[in-house]
Amino acid sequence: KAGVTQTPRYLIKTRGQQVTLSCSPISGHRSVSWYQQTPGQGLQFLFEYFSETQRNKGNFPGRFSGRQFSNSRSEMNVSTLELGDSALYLCASSIGQGRETQYFGPGTRLLVL
Amino acid sequence: GQQLNQSPQSMFIQEGEDVSMNCTSSSIFNTWLWYKQDPGEGPVLLIALYKAGELTSNGRLTAQFGITRKDSFLNISASIPSDVGIYFCAGNNNNDMRFGAGTRLTVKP
Repeated sequence: KAGVTQTPRYLIKTRGQQVTLSCSPISGHRSVSWYQQTPGQGLQFLFEYFSETQRNKGNFPGRFSGRQFSNSRSEMNVSTLELGDSALYLCASSIGQGRETQYFGPGTRLLVL
Repeated sequence: GQQLNQSPQSMFIQEGEDVSMNCTSSSIFNTWLWYKQDPGEGPVLLIALYKAGELTSNGRLTAQFGITRKDSFLNISASIPSDVGIYFCAGNNNNDMRFGAGTRLTVKP
């Protein structure tokens, strides 16, 4: 069974731009969660989607948004990028809601210049 | 966010040695998870623990879910160079998932 896939793997943007990251969960997994990982803050929860609905949201500004499609694939969008948004963005999938045992993708490394 | 206390922060060991790291929390969790992350990659699930007191092995790795449900440890026996990486603990309690800050393991051949 294929694991969680994320695209793109690397991205360079400039301040003020917007970016869209994509995540395809493990087949049969219906929950997708997004995390931001930085050296200083570690892993921080962004949001969780289950059945195309956002079920939980972390403490991030409204510039961070996401959605989930009927095939469970998910996208997250960051608008008006700031330098501090540079991070590894990780997607994790699980079978059900509530972030039960999660399997992570390889991440998208975003660099904002 | 990070609300699990994971220790040690880093370890430098000789190949063949055993390693032990642990996580504690002020909150109870229903599930404890241990992940390993290599540079530039996502965390890979090593062991998942679902019951208080549970002891689970995965090859040279052994992890236990504390009886109080507020702690967990991970042991690695007979370490090898490819064990190098950052090990994270995670506690999951329905919709609340927290991570430790990680233990950076260096194995000297």
